[in-house]
Amino acid sequence: GIQVEQSPPDLILQEGANSTLRCNFSDSVNNLQWFHQNPWGQLINLFYIPSGTKQNGRLSATTVATERYSLLYISSSQTTDSGVYFCAVATGRRALTFGSGTRLQVQP
Amino acid sequence: EPEVTQTPSHQVTQMGQEVILRCVPISNHLYFYWYRQILGQKVEFLVSFYNNEISEKSEIFDDQFSVERPDGSNFTLKIRSTKLEDSAMYFCASSPIQGTEAFFGQGTRLTVV
Repeated sequence: GIQVEQSPPDLILQEGANSTLRCNFSDSVNNLQWFHQNPWGQLINLFYIPSGTKQNGRLSATTVATERYSLLYISSSQTTDSGVYFCAVATGRRALTFGSGTRLQVQP
Repeated sequence: EPEVTQTPSHQVTQMGQEVILRCVPISNHLYFYWYRQILGQKVEFLVSFYNNEISEKSEIFDDQFSVERPDGSNFTLKIRSTKLEDSAMYFCASSPIQGTEAFFGQGTRLTVV
């Protein structure tokens, strides 16, 4: 099956800093989603972005499908951004395959 | 905004018992999914369901598990004879078309004691 690798596995930031999270995948995809898992375990949809660039407030994402990677940018980080960020991809009609996540801790 | 809802949010059960996890997908969606996340690990796919049939399942989804859409709104995951290692967060998701954006519920935390 498709392989999904996320980096870095762990990231500690000071409040106000910017960060870039990366997701590499091993095959062509027709679905790519970024999620934030909050401390209560809920998966929050951030972006549906199989290709191109999207922005939502302080967050933006870019997927370069031809090179098989996606980036999630967090600007001016806040303590509420803490949690685990997952990238998930799917090929054809298959279900999503998740990466192992990036655990982000934003310190005040 | 439409959302996927799951009940209960937390369930504790004794080893060997059967549990049913319930989900109400978004009303106009046609594809339904169950995923599992063992504490501290990544989210793993269990099964997808379309037109009252399983359309895809993972190796995890063995005879211990079953899914059902008993009426026009609910989608259930049954786990028979639960084991300690079944303790996990179980997520339901739905999508309007297969391969497009999936929307996840808030999860059911299952604890087997």
